[in-house]
Amino acid sequence: KAGVTQTPRYLIKTRGQQVTLSCSPISGHRSVSWYQQTPGQGLQFLFEYFSETQRNKGNFPGRFSGRQFSNSRSEMNVSTLELGDSALYLCASSPSGGPGETQYFGPGTRLLVL
Amino acid sequence: KNQVEQSPQSLIILEGKNCTLQCNYTVSPFSNLRWYKQDTGRGPVSLTIMTFSENTKSNGRYTATLDADTKQSSLHITASQLSDSASYICVVSAYNAGNMLTFGGGTRLMVKP
Repeated sequence: KAGVTQTPRYLIKTRGQQVTLSCSPISGHRSVSWYQQTPGQGLQFLFEYFSETQRNKGNFPGRFSGRQFSNSRSEMNVSTLELGDSALYLCASSPSGGPGETQYFGPGTRLLVL
Repeated sequence: KNQVEQSPQSLIILEGKNCTLQCNYTVSPFSNLRWYKQDTGRGPVSLTIMTFSENTKSNGRYTATLDADTKQSSLHITASQLSDSASYICVVSAYNAGNMLTFGGGTRLMVKP
């Protein structure tokens, strides 16, 4: 089975722009979660999607949004980029998002905001 | 507030030696605790998952322990190898919170020849 894939792997944007990141889960996995990782804050949960619905949301401003398609692929959008949004954005998939399930992470998208 | 704290922040050991990483948490109600290994520039990889009723779980040279009473976990690495150099992250999930995980800051381990 192919692993979780994320595109693009690297991205450079300027303040005020918006960006869309994509995540393709492992085939058969219906839960996709997004995380932000920075040196200062570590890993932080953004949101989780299951069956095209946002099921959980972390403490991030409304500039961060996402969606999930019928094939379980997910996108994350950040509008009005700020310098502090520079981070590694990781997505993870699991079969149904159950609390005991192993999450499989993608390689991440490294975003640099100038 | 749910929190996960890990110690030490960083650790250097010689190849072949053992080491133990610590994790303390205040997540409630507790559902499960996971240890992940993250190589530089890559996504985390799951090592172990433990629920409330489990107090030890092994994955090769990695052994995790859990004391739900004291809210502490440890990850013991036996006979370290150069490839063990990575960040090790403790992650705790609250019951009924789905995949809303609380992450520790990680321990950066460097194994030297």
